[in-house]
Amino acid sequence: ETGVTQTPRHLVMGMTNKKSLKCEQHLGHNAMYWYKQSAKKPLELMFVYNFKEQTENNSVPSRFSPECPNSSHLFLHLHTLQPEDSALYLCASSQGAGGQETQYFGPGTRLLVL
Amino acid sequence: QKEVEQNSGPLSVPEGAIASLNCTYSDRVSQSFFWYRQYSGKSPELIMSIYSNGDKEDGRFTAQLNKASQYVSLLIRDSQPSDSATYLCAVKSNFNKFYFGSGTKLNVKP
Repeated sequence: ETGVTQTPRHLVMGMTNKKSLKCEQHLGHNAMYWYKQSAKKPLELMFVYNFKEQTENNSVPSRFSPECPNSSHLFLHLHTLQPEDSALYLCASSQGAGGQETQYFGPGTRLLVL
Repeated sequence: QKEVEQNSGPLSVPEGAIASLNCTYSDRVSQSFFWYRQYSGKSPELIMSIYSNGDKEDGRFTAQLNKASQYVSLLIRDSQPSDSATYLCAVKSNFNKFYFGSGTKLNVKP
């Protein structure tokens, strides 16, 4: 596979469930990101990892827990979500810090919380 | 004040016309600017990046940057119905921090 992949593509979960979103990049990049995209809102940056270290947490509620075991993989663990967390969750990657990196996005996971 | 501002549209242009999309940003130290296209239900895909003042052309697309005015635009020449999408302006500010605008919806009418 090439580029940035995300699984699952669609997810429906109850408020008491625990699930995980997975992202994998095949571009040799060192930085990975989680974004949330709700209807009619700008992309909201959630987390940034650079060389496996978390460098950004944009005041995201603790019911979202990221994990980055290596530069190619990124997870978003979900637990006790709320209906307002329903959105498209996008993973992206870029070469790394500094310079003029471009972010490349995965196809996203469309999440519905019931 | 939003970091990146775009007119939400929709911007309607006839097929073959030039579509002009605009974006302003608040952080003067921003160095990298990007335009993404997002079709409904899909993820954003990169169209253009620009880093220096002036124009940058790639096929039917031209990005224009004016750092003094904190303004970046995207021109689409010979617009096609397949160009109908939401166009997101993105600005790279601090260390690996990207800000996105809300996007401008473009409709190209046949």
